[in-house]
Amino acid sequence: KAGVTQTPRYLIKTRGQQVTLSCSPISGHRSVSWYQQTPGQGLQFLFEYFSETQRNKGNFPGRFSGRQFSNSRSEMNVSTLELGDSALYLCASSFGGQVETQYFGPGTRLLVL
Amino acid sequence: AQKITQTQPGMFVQEKEAVTLDCTYDTSDQSYGLFWYKQPSSGEMIFLIYQGSYDEQNATEGRYSLNFQKARKSANLVISASQLGDSAMYFCAMRGLTQGGSEKLVFGKGTKLTVNP
Repeated sequence: KAGVTQTPRYLIKTRGQQVTLSCSPISGHRSVSWYQQTPGQGLQFLFEYFSETQRNKGNFPGRFSGRQFSNSRSEMNVSTLELGDSALYLCASSFGGQVETQYFGPGTRLLVL
Repeated sequence: AQKITQTQPGMFVQEKEAVTLDCTYDTSDQSYGLFWYKQPSSGEMIFLIYQGSYDEQNATEGRYSLNFQKARKSANLVISASQLGDSAMYFCAMRGLTQGGSEKLVFGKGTKLTVNP
């Protein structure tokens, strides 16, 4: 069974640009969550999508948005990039039931110059 | 609010020895899950072990075991017979129900484990 895949793996952008990251969950998983990891703040929850609906959102500005498609694939978008957005963005998937294990993808490393 | 505390920024262990990584948590949820993940330098978060709040027995997965003490709100990871490949960051995480039925993982700051030959 294929694991969670994320594309692209690496990205370099400049301030003010926007970026879209993609995540394909494990087959059969309907929940996709996104996390940001930085050396200073650690791992922080961005948002979770389940059956194309955002179920929960972390404390990030509106520049961070996402969506989920009918095949459970998810995209995350960051507009007007700032230097502080440089991070490892991790996507995780699960079936979406109560207190289930989330399985992570390899992450996308974003560098904002 | 949920909180995970990992008090050991770094740990060293000799190859083939056992090591315990500490994790304490705080939550008002009645039902929750505790997880340990391993993150090598490549960045991918690898799931290791899970303990449910209502599980009476400590979870085990191969060389990994979770020492769950509910009254003390601790969920320490024990790695037996350490291997060089165990060198990585280890994160303790909690997942409980939030409003609306959705869930999110709350992570600790991690412990960097170094296994010496």
